[in-house]
Amino acid sequence: GAVVSQHPSWVICKSGTSVKIECRSLDFQATTMFWYRQFPKQSLMLMATSNEGSKATYEQGVEKDKFLINHASLTLSTLTVTSAHPEDSSFYICSAPTSGRASYEQYFGPGTRLTVT
Amino acid sequence: AQKVTQAQTEISVVEKEDVTLDCVYETRDTTYYLFWYKQPPSGELVFLIRRNSFDEQNEISGRYSWNFQKSTSSFNFTITASQVVDSAVYFCALSEARGKAGGTSYGKLTFGQGTILTVHP
Repeated sequence: GAVVSQHPSWVICKSGTSVKIECRSLDFQATTMFWYRQFPKQSLMLMATSNEGSKATYEQGVEKDKFLINHASLTLSTLTVTSAHPEDSSFYICSAPTSGRASYEQYFGPGTRLTVT
Repeated sequence: AQKVTQAQTEISVVEKEDVTLDCVYETRDTTYYLFWYKQPPSGELVFLIRRNSFDEQNEISGRYSWNFQKSTSSFNFTITASQVVDSAVYFCALSEARGKAGGTSYGKLTFGQGTILTVHP
């Protein structure tokens, strides 16, 4: 079946530095990818929609200048957390729908655990 | 706006008991999809089922079964004869069925708060 990978699976960085997380669709093309964030013991919240060849769409309350999203190809979307702070520590998960018509096939990556010290 | 409510924050059962996880949703869309995902301690989401809004037929897959009732906007999940390996967080989610103008709202999922299921031996 379709697979979505994320890299790295976990990362620890110092406050003030930037961290890039990659999301790849391994055997299908994804014109759209989604980035979710999950704080400990909480649900997944959509951060933004990554669109290949155009600007990402951010959910209300998500700072686009802090969470930079680049969807440079049909198989890769990157999320860069700029000037990370401890409150950005979270589990980041990407997903990609496989169909061009509907979202009914959603494949999730394994997630990236970010810890900012 | 879409909303998914999982009223049960935590459920604890003893192995072999049956357990039902509740999910109630709100949407103005006439066409939509409902999902259940399992999240074990590793964090990776495991897809369990997808249902579209036109298919109210209940489904059974092994020890798992789902009851979709459009009249009450509910999509409940039952595990029969629970096992320790079923211990995880379970999420119910709702998705639009088609992209809207501009495509920016296409396919995103709205998740419920999650239910922590603990099955004791």
